[in-house]
Formats: sequence, structure tokens, C-alpha cells
Amino acid sequence: DAGVIQSPRHEVTEMGQEVTLRCKPISGHNSLFWYRQTMMRGLELLIYFNNNVPIDDSGMPEDRFSAKMPNASFSTLKIQPSEPRDSAVYFCASSTTGANTIYFGEGSWLTVV
Amino acid sequence: DAKTTQPTSMDCAEGRAANLPCNHSTISGNEYVYWYRQIHSQGPQYIIHGLKNNETNEMASLIITEDRKSSTLILPHATLRDTAVYYCIVRVNTNAGKSTFGDGTTLTVKP
Repeated sequence: DAGVIQSPRHEVTEMGQEVTLRCKPISGHNSLFWYRQTMMRGLELLIYFNNNVPIDDSGMPEDRFSAKMPNASFSTLKIQPSEPRDSAVYFCASSTTGANTIYFGEGSWLTVV
Repeated sequence: DAKTTQPTSMDCAEGRAANLPCNHSTISGNEYVYWYRQIHSQGPQYIIHGLKNNETNEMASLIITEDRKSSTLILPHATLRDTAVYYCIVRVNTNAGKSTFGDGTTLTVKP
């Protein structure tokens, strides 16, 4: 079975540019999560969706970050404009509502120079 | 979620059992103990979870003390591929995605 699929795997961009990260959750999963991982702050939950609706975005760092889930099989995390401090690994994860565990993608490694 | 305390790092010889401890002295009665691991350059992976009884699956065993204030993850025969960061998480048994990942224990399995 295909797991959570993220793209791009690696991206290097210049400060001020728009960055769009993409995620395809596991088929049948109705909860989707975006995490960010850095050395300084570890793994942080940014936002999660249930049935395509954003439920909790309290982890989104600031207005430069936005996330959408237009349908059950696709989500985006956008950073505009990007800054060097946004450099991190961004993970997408999915699960079914109330499930014991979630399944992570391989991550998108973002470097903003 | 209750706070957890784990050693920063541990070493283990290949083929030996790896015992990873976790302290969670403020755990509530309805909170479960979960373990995930993260191999370098990959996303975290679920290992096992339990409430108060010991649990075992194909990956590991979980031993929870009777007072539930601490637990131990056991990898019975560690291999080099088990080298990873291991996270102990305590939370209620709903909404798995809202788990709080701490710093974890970096386990290094040596040949």
C-alpha cells in the first residue's frame, strides 16, 4: 500500500520566494497533519484537518504560513514569503479519526537561503 | 499530555536487547504510553502503545510499571537498522496526531 506521499522531497529557495509543499494522505484516512521539525524545536504540530476541515491551526507560526485541503486526497502547506528561519523538514501525516497511530510521510526538506 | 523524561542517548550491541526507559510520573488514568521511532531522514514510525498491561508486537515489547509512572521499551534483538531516535509519548487514546514529541532517546546499535 502507498503511504503518505509528500513532494517535493527537497527544495532550496531564496528568501522572499513562495514555497508550496504537497501531501497525499493514505487513501481512506480522514485526518491529516502537518508537522515541522528543526534541531532547535524538535517536531511541532502546525495544523491538522479532519474531513478536509482545519480543526486546529494554533501551531502555525505566523500569517506567512497557510494550509489547505481542497479534497480528501490532497493538501498543501504554503509559505509566502519564505525566510531563512523557515528552513526545516516538513512532515505530513494521516490517520483515521480516533485512530491510535498516525502515519508519516518521508518529509519535505526545505532550505531557504 | 503528561510530560515524559528520556535519556538523551544510549548504545546497544548488535544482537543484544535494547532497553529504553521513559519516566512519566504525572500520567493520568486515561493516558496511554506510546512509542515511536525516527530513523535518520525518515518520518516517525509507530512502534507500540499500552495503558497498564505489558504489550508485545512484532517490533518490540512495552513494560509499564504497576504505578504507571515509568515504562521500558524493549527491542529484543537489536540490529543496526534499529539505530534511531525513540520517542516516548503519553496522551489520551484519541487524536493520535496531536502527540507531543519531545527530544527522545538516540539509540545507537553498534556491531
